[in-house]
Order: sequence, then C-alpha cells, then structure tokens
Amino acid sequence: DTEVTQTPKHLVMGMTNKKSLKCEQHMGHRAMYWYKQKAKKPPELMFVYSYEKLSINESVPSRFSPECPNSSLLNLHLHALQPEDSALYLCASSQDLGTLNTGELFFGEGSRLTVL
Amino acid sequence: SQQGEEDPQALSIQEGENATMNCSYKTSINNLQWYRQNSGRGLVHLILIRSNEREKHSGRLRVTLDTSKKSSSLLITASRAADTASYFCATDPNTGGGNKLTFGTGTQLKVEL
Repeated sequence: DTEVTQTPKHLVMGMTNKKSLKCEQHMGHRAMYWYKQKAKKPPELMFVYSYEKLSINESVPSRFSPECPNSSLLNLHLHALQPEDSALYLCASSQDLGTLNTGELFFGEGSRLTVL
Repeated sequence: SQQGEEDPQALSIQEGENATMNCSYKTSINNLQWYRQNSGRGLVHLILIRSNEREKHSGRLRVTLDTSKKSSSLLITASRAADTASYFCATDPNTGGGNKLTFGTGTQLKVEL
C-alpha cells in the first residue's frame, strides 16, 4: 500500500469555525509532513513530525495546530482562519532517515480549503 | 522563501519532442528530487539524485546535478501529451536536520498533440 489518504477533499469554512484535516498512511513511514500550496505556487513546508514528535514548525501561525496521534495519522486543526489561508493543503510521508537525508515523499491528493 | 528557482516558468512543446527544465538552488544539499504535479492534484516523486552523483536515468527521464554551479536539469525525452503537468525540483539542505524538503518555483509543461 503506497497511498497517503487525505480527508476531506474539499472544505469550506467561515472565519469563526473550527475544523480539522486528516491524513493517513500505512507504509510504516515515521516522518509526516504538512505543506500548503497556493494556486500556481510551489508547496510550502508547514510542519514535520518525526516519530510522532513535532520536529519542524516553519513559523506557522497558531491558528494552525498539528497533531500526530500515532505513527499512521496526522491531523491539522484549523481555528479562526483568514481568507488568505485558502489553499490546497498537502500531507506527505517518508521514511525517516534522521539527519542523513530526506527520502522520497509520498503525497496525498490534498484538501482544498476555502475560508469565507 | 523557496530554495530553488526553475527555468523556464512555462514550456510548450509538440508530442515527441524533448523537454528540458532547469533548477538552481542556493545552499549545499544532501540530495535533489524532482516531482510532478497534475493540475490540482498531489505531487508524485520522479527521481532523486544524491549530492555525490552527477547523472541519473529513469525511463524517459534524465537528471543531471552540478553541485559546483548549484544547478540541476530534468530532461524528458520523447514527450507525450500525458506528460503535461507542473514539474518541481526539491532540495534537501545539508543543514543536519533532515526531513526539510523545499520546493522550487516549478515549470509548467504543456505537450501538444
């Protein structure tokens, strides 16, 4: 199984809502990632979890709150978002090679978020 | 800010022609990877080249890496309409941390019949 599954595929929320994006993989990968991608731009790294611990936070605003409940699951909790947060949110996973290298990333199809 | 800048931003070719995309980056790296993204979809890994490698092949793909110039190129030979997509280089910086893949600006490739 080489799939990364993201739900929901589409999400529309108001600025006062609380919602969550979910990501699941069963490849035994111990590194999991959240990227944000605006239209016609490259993905931008938000968070990295390594062995279920947050290892990288790229100065993401606190209205985005990641969670890694176990080695297969990754969540992104959303609260009080702004319209400029509308984007495609991509989850990815990889083998965790520690400090030596970053391996091949396997991406989900993304969750397209619209904030009204 | 992005680690890599890609050139050209957009490329339109006829089916059967070769497509070449270039990537330049700023800091030393462990490896460089190329990904493809069909419109609005997730990214798919194409090829990884390590910093001590100069050239790598995978099917119709050929990647070169010149660490002295901090640049890489992706060649797609005998292109097909199905190759139409955005292509991104991604660099794994040699900062000792690992798991910090940063994507370049991307090249939009259109292959016309």
